[in-house]
Amino acid sequence: EAQVTQNPRYLITVTGKKLTVTCSQNMNHEYMSWYRQDPGLGLRQIYYSMNVEVTDKGDVPEGYKVSRKEKRNFPLILESPSPNQTSLYFCASSLSHLLGETQYFGPGTRLLVL
Amino acid sequence: DAKTTQPPSMDCAEGRAANLPCNHSTISGNEYVYWYRQIHSQGPQYIIHGLKNNETNEMASLIITEDRKSSTLILPHATLRDTAVYYCIVKVGGGSNYKLTFGKGTLLTVNP
Repeated sequence: EAQVTQNPRYLITVTGKKLTVTCSQNMNHEYMSWYRQDPGLGLRQIYYSMNVEVTDKGDVPEGYKVSRKEKRNFPLILESPSPNQTSLYFCASSLSHLLGETQYFGPGTRLLVL
Repeated sequence: DAKTTQPPSMDCAEGRAANLPCNHSTISGNEYVYWYRQIHSQGPQYIIHGLKNNETNEMASLIITEDRKSSTLILPHATLRDTAVYYCIVKVGGGSNYKLTFGKGTLLTVNP
């Protein structure tokens, strides 16, 4: 089944404790992206990747890192999480160069930073 | 990207057609209309997109007016599972970042 998976789905952590949220897709998609969703602010893009080893900042990249060593995986790294990174995170991927806006989203990761 | 306007909420009876409007009066000739939906706290789900012509797939139909200043998403036989926030997004296709900008959308509630 074609899908985008994220792990973990729920995470409670403390300030400053490094964490990684994994994202994997099995559709051979070249484009992958991370969003966060907060009440009243909608979905905001954190980072995106057009292909392996090609990543770039989105609208809210501060406090996050990403890597794209393989086509299928696009982990989101929080080196030193802070309470303002408490949010619902979504990974998305897309195949088409021409219409990459046709995206598949993962189920979400709900993060609470204490 | 052109701005879109959607009603904040709509109701629909189960089994009836749900018609969700979207205004995009400043749309330019190379901008596509995309529709996504988000069932409570789940990942957004792509529904359909179009440029000029009406489109239909297994989920929905998209009707775009001739002047392209508005469109309507039609769910032909709404079910309770179609209750979700529906987003209309207007964007030039392709480019260097396929970032989607989600507005507030329309909360569609399908009632039994």
